[in-house]
Amino acid sequence: KQEVTQIPAALSVPEGENLVLNCSFTDSAIYNLQWFRQDPGKGLTSLLLIQSSQREQTSGRLNASLDKSSGRSTLYIAASQPGDSATYLCAVRVQAAGNKLTFGGGTRVLVKP
Amino acid sequence: GAVVSQHPSRVICKSGTSVKIECRSLDFQATTMFWYRQFPKQSLMLMATSNEGSKATYEQGVEKDKFLINHASLTLSTLTVTSAHPEDSSFYICSARTGSGSGELFFGEGSRLTVL
Repeated sequence: KQEVTQIPAALSVPEGENLVLNCSFTDSAIYNLQWFRQDPGKGLTSLLLIQSSQREQTSGRLNASLDKSSGRSTLYIAASQPGDSATYLCAVRVQAAGNKLTFGGGTRVLVKP
Repeated sequence: GAVVSQHPSRVICKSGTSVKIECRSLDFQATTMFWYRQFPKQSLMLMATSNEGSKATYEQGVEKDKFLINHASLTLSTLTVTSAHPEDSSFYICSARTGSGSGELFFGEGSRLTVL
């Protein structure tokens, strides 16, 4: 059974500092991995989708890497801003589980002005 | 990105009543939609997979008679919480996938259900 872990569970940084969020998964036979952002009381906003054949994806200040062999993905957010404060969730789609996503517990980020 | 809309965003009901939540894909067709439940400060728990034109597939431990799912068209899935009780109070989120194969998942804004 696929298990997804995100460490740390919470992170507080001063504005301008780079953010590094970690996601690990136990089954390397994934179809893809997706990073999401969730604001309090809101749904999920898709940030980046990395296919199993890719090693990284970039969008603006966001960069996500994927190392399937070690079961890890890292989300980098450059030059953090207070507006980046949110919960960040990673989710993996396992080949053998159809379209289902398995979510990590999330990392709550607070960027202090 | 693609847009998934949920309605209502908030609903308060009395114990014993039924509540329907709608999930719509606004600019794409979704043969498959997913319903999640999220407790405070916890991650999402998949409840069921909704397939257009067929019965939903429920995850282990989810009561299919309690949480009725209907996927009548390629753009609409509904979740009905029947005979709601206070323990059903939660945040319910739907998602839909664009295309096939490597399609990206997009999520609705969620629906906060409070059962008094």
